[in-house]
Amino acid sequence: AQSVTQLDSQVPVFEEAPVELRCNYSSSVSVYLFWYVQYPNQGLQLLLKYLSGSTLVKGINGFEAEFNKSQTSFHLRKPSVHISDTAEYFCAVSRNNNDMRFGAGTRLTVKP
Amino acid sequence: DTEVTQTPKHLVMGMTNKKSLKCEQHMGHRAMYWYKQKAKKPPELMFVYSYEKLSINESVPSRFSPECPNSSLLNLHLHALQPEDSALYLCASSQQGFDYNEQFFGPGTRLTVL
Repeated sequence: AQSVTQLDSQVPVFEEAPVELRCNYSSSVSVYLFWYVQYPNQGLQLLLKYLSGSTLVKGINGFEAEFNKSQTSFHLRKPSVHISDTAEYFCAVSRNNNDMRFGAGTRLTVKP
Repeated sequence: DTEVTQTPKHLVMGMTNKKSLKCEQHMGHRAMYWYKQKAKKPPELMFVYSYEKLSINESVPSRFSPECPNSSLLNLHLHALQPEDSALYLCASSQQGFDYNEQFFGPGTRLTVL
């Protein structure tokens, strides 16, 4: 079965600094990869997804991620964060349409 | 309309109560999902309905009973819950019939079992 590991449970950064949230996956077959964001007391919102094609994926709110098959990674990056980016970020993997598995999450805290 | 709505937003119930959570979407999606999310944990898949039929049940206890009365509605009936069932319950929906379809999540129902 597929799974994901988010390497950092908490990432504190200062406003306007760059950030990288790390995600590694394991699967014996091709998978789809996603990053979701969850603001306090809200549901999940899709930031970006990798299905196939270009390994650099651009998402909403200035985020991007790079799929690296050899390192089985899908790290999320943003060149300059804002206070409003403070949230929980989940990496997820899916092998088919209905079976999505989430990583443990990374709490991003942006400080002024 | 690209929204998944869930009611109620909050629910407090005793261990002997019977209650239901409701989820609704009008995007024409034919797959609907229930997830359970404990505090500071990722969502865990509970049930998947595909074309109004239960397709995945992740070994969820029988005190949780899902129902999909039509393609727009998804219910989760609760009976004789335990305090450890307190969590955020998320509903999601997606299209069917393609290699991959994005799941759209509702805001969740925060359930507290006393």
